[in-house]
Amino acid sequence: GAGVSQSPRYKVTKRGQDVALRCDPISGHVSLYWYRQALGQGPEFLTYFNYEAQQDKSGLPNDRFSAERPEGSISTLTIQRTEQRDSAMYRCASTKANKREIGETQYFGPGTRLLVL
Amino acid sequence: GNSVTQMEGPVTLSEEAFLTINCTYTATGYPSLFWYVQYPGEGLQLLLKATKADDKGSNKGFEATYRKETTSFHLEKGSVQVSDSAVYFCALNAVLGSQGNLIFGKGTKLSVKP
Repeated sequence: GAGVSQSPRYKVTKRGQDVALRCDPISGHVSLYWYRQALGQGPEFLTYFNYEAQQDKSGLPNDRFSAERPEGSISTLTIQRTEQRDSAMYRCASTKANKREIGETQYFGPGTRLLVL
Repeated sequence: GNSVTQMEGPVTLSEEAFLTINCTYTATGYPSLFWYVQYPGEGLQLLLKATKADDKGSNKGFEATYRKETTSFHLEKGSVQVSDSAVYFCALNAVLGSQGNLIFGKGTKLSVKP
C-alpha cells in the first residue's frame, strides 16, 4: 500500500480481555517496529522484526505482550489480560532495510489508540 | 544510556514568528538524529534528519544542525505558518544500546495563531 496502515484505529476494551492490534507495513519493507506512546510522552520501543523473525523484544513490558509476523508482512501485537496501565497509543513503523541501520528512516502508521476500562 | 531531552511545550506563536525548539541528547557512539512531526489526527512523519556531526537537515523551511560539541539538534524555522501547528518530536538512534530503535523526546506542541 501507499503507507503503513494499522487497525483498528481505536479500541476500547474491558480489563482482563485480550486485544490484537494489526500493522500492515509498506509493501516491500522488510523491517518492522512496534512502539508504545503514553499520553504526553514520546513513543517507546517494544519489539523489532526482520522479515518474519522477531529479533528484538527487549522493550515488551511483560509476558502479557507478544508479537508475530508469520509471513514477513503483516504483524500482530497481542496483549493478553489487559490492564488499565496498557492504555496508550500503539504505533507501528517499517523500513526498507533488511537489518537495523543507523540513520534509516522509519515510516509510521497512524497508530491504534487503546483504552482499557 | 541513550536519551533525548526537548523543550517542554506548549509553544504558542503568531504567524510569521521565528521558531526554535531545543533538543539535546545523550548517546554512546555516533547517533543519527531526527525530527518527526505529528499533525492533528495523523501519524508521525519524518520532518528532517542528520546522520553525522555538522550535517544540516532541512525540509519545508525547517532546519536543524547536528552539533556534536553541544550534543544538540535544535529545530528552527524563520517564519511559521498556521499549518505548522503540530507536535514535534526529536529522536535519535545509536550504535550502542538501542541499535536501530528510535529513542524519542517527549514532544513539543506548537500552536500558531493567525
